[in-house]
Amino acid sequence: AQRVTQPEKLLSVFKGAPVELKCNYSYSGSPELFWYVQYSRQRLQLLLRHISRESIKGFTADLNKGETSFHLKKPFAQEEDSAMYYCAPTNSGYALNFGKGTSLLVTP
Amino acid sequence: EPEVTQTPSHQVTQMGQEVILRCVPISNHLYFYWYRQILGQKVEFLVSFYNNEISEKSEIFDDQFSVERPDGSNFTLKIRSTKLEDSAMYFCASSARPGQGNTGELFFGEGSRLTVL
Repeated sequence: AQRVTQPEKLLSVFKGAPVELKCNYSYSGSPELFWYVQYSRQRLQLLLRHISRESIKGFTADLNKGETSFHLKKPFAQEEDSAMYYCAPTNSGYALNFGKGTSLLVTP
Repeated sequence: EPEVTQTPSHQVTQMGQEVILRCVPISNHLYFYWYRQILGQKVEFLVSFYNNEISEKSEIFDDQFSVERPDGSNFTLKIRSTKLEDSAMYFCASSARPGQGNTGELFFGEGSRLTVL
């Protein structure tokens, strides 16, 4: 069965500390993977996708096919990074399936 | 910047009533989606729509649900005979391309909160 796991419901870090939001997936074939973010009172929006290998707002995510992971990392967290983060694989070509999400709280 | 818009932002209805949630996708997008999020739970895929037909649907999207693109701009989700467990936030999304290959980023609306009493 296709599954995506975000083991941490809530992650709290201090400003300037490194942060890693974990995502593990169980998908057949070669899924595409995305991270979406929802800031307070804003809509869900794309943060980054694995095929573009880009860094957005200081965040990076490396696809590890051996460990079937796509963890999101940032070396120095900022208060404005506080948000809900969703890992989303897709194998269908159409639908994203979201993980349960991790709420990141960055405190001063 | 173009945005996906949804109406109503909040609807309260009695159990058993029919509800229509409306969405205006970004104008040059071709792929449309509905997701829902029950309070405290994850965002769940309901259905995707392309070329005037359903391209994919989840187990949640049973005969109680239907989608329609009645004109060139609106994309609607109809829920017949609502149940208490249909209470959720419903998100519409659209993309220029499907989520594969040169990926089509999904652009989400702000959601319509449905409360079934």
